[in-house]
Amino acid sequence: TQLLEQSPQFLSIQEGENLTVYCNSSSVFSSLQWYRQEPGEGPVLLVTVVTGGEVKKLKRLTFQFGDARKDSSLHITAAQPGDTGLYLCAGRTSYGKLTFGQGTILTVHP
Amino acid sequence: KAGVTQTPRYLIKTRGQQVTLSCSPISGHRSVSWYQQTPGQGLQFLFEYFSETQRNKGNFPGRFSGRQFSNSRSEMNVSTLELGDSALYLCASSLDPWNTEAFFGQGTRLTVV
Repeated sequence: TQLLEQSPQFLSIQEGENLTVYCNSSSVFSSLQWYRQEPGEGPVLLVTVVTGGEVKKLKRLTFQFGDARKDSSLHITAAQPGDTGLYLCAGRTSYGKLTFGQGTILTVHP
Repeated sequence: KAGVTQTPRYLIKTRGQQVTLSCSPISGHRSVSWYQQTPGQGLQFLFEYFSETQRNKGNFPGRFSGRQFSNSRSEMNVSTLELGDSALYLCASSLDPWNTEAFFGQGTRLTVV
C-alpha cells in the first residue's frame, strides 16, 4: 500500500508570510500532482511534476519533486487570503493508481 | 471544453435507501475514478473504471458499486445507506489510467438522515 504523508495538517498564518507543505512517501511515484480545494467544491489541479528534481513555479507557488520521486514540497511566498484552502498532494504509481495525502488546511489571515 | 460534470450536486436520503450518482468525464477521457471525502478520513479511493472495466477497487463494503458506460460516463451506487455514508463524493477523469493528470468534478454532497 502506497502512503503519502502530508504535513503539516493545519497551517494558520498571517498575510505576507511564507510557508511550505511537505508530501512524503516510501514509495516511488511516476508523477505527483498538487491540488487546491475550496469547501464544497472539487479539487482543482495546480501542477503535475514528473521528473526527479523537477521544480515548477506558478506565480507565488513553487513545487518541487524529490530526486528519488518519493517526496514533494509546495512553497508559497507572501501568502494572501485568497490562498486559503485545502492543499492535497497525490502520487500516481507506474500502474496508474492515484494515492492522496491527507491534505493541509491553510488559513491566511488578512 | 466542458469539465467533469457530476449530478446531482446535493442529495438527502434516509437510512436504508439506495442512491445513484452520475459522472460525465471530460470529452475524450476514458478513465473515471470515484472518491469519498469526509473531514476525518480525507479522500478515500472507491474504484476506477477504464473502458467499461473496473481496474481498481478501494476498501469499501459491497454496498458501494459502480459501472461505466460505452460513452465513458460512470455511475456509482450505494445501497442500504448508513449515516456514515454522508460525505462528498468526487469523480475524477483522465485520458487513461496511466495519464499523469486527473481532473475532478464539483462533487455530490450526500447527506444520510
